[in-house]
Amino acid sequence: DAKTTQPNSMESNEEEPVHLPCNHSTISGTDYIHWYRQLPSQGPEYVIHGLTSNVNNRMASLAIAEDRKSSTLILHRATLRDAAVYYCILRDLLDGANNLFFGTGTRLTVIP
Amino acid sequence: NAGVTQTPKFRVLKTGQSMTLLCAQDMNHEYMYWYRQDPGMGLRLIHYSVGEGTTAKGEVPDGYNVSRLKKQNFLLGLESAAPSQTSVYFCASSEDSLNTEAFFGQGTRLTVV
Repeated sequence: DAKTTQPNSMESNEEEPVHLPCNHSTISGTDYIHWYRQLPSQGPEYVIHGLTSNVNNRMASLAIAEDRKSSTLILHRATLRDAAVYYCILRDLLDGANNLFFGTGTRLTVIP
Repeated sequence: NAGVTQTPKFRVLKTGQSMTLLCAQDMNHEYMYWYRQDPGMGLRLIHYSVGEGTTAKGEVPDGYNVSRLKKQNFLLGLESAAPSQTSVYFCASSEDSLNTEAFFGQGTRLTVV
């Protein structure tokens, strides 16, 4: 399974943009890049995903490097509710289970 | 829509006791998963199912069994609970495509004493 590397923790001031990096140097052509987050005492929730092109949705933006070996999740204006652990996950087209392999993620602290 | 519902939310077991965790989804999803999450760690896959009547082992299947008799339900069983199975258990479901999101339940906190 292709691995991802994320910083253990990051801090951001409220209402400022946040850029959460993820390295996935062994990514294959069939891997989708997914981001999930886990709020305290809750199950993970989907944030965004992409394959090659940058993606935007109501929650965040995903910027994917041209060589696909890294990506960045962008929260445009951090709120206190965005404090969570963010997981960058590669989901393999060739994996019959369509499984999500979670690492330890990045714990985001939002400072009021 | 309720999404993914797990029952129970909390449970304390004595070593050697058995129990079943129930996961129910109302989204007509084909894929269902059981994960466990230990303190400070990410989720690890226990078992999964790609459709009604099918199950398969994940990353950490030992000590657990599963059944998917109905498409909407995925049961996780512990036949003889051990302290090492103290964890938070999450169920998830998704459509049969990589290009979609997975939906998670709120978790079951299990303590084995």
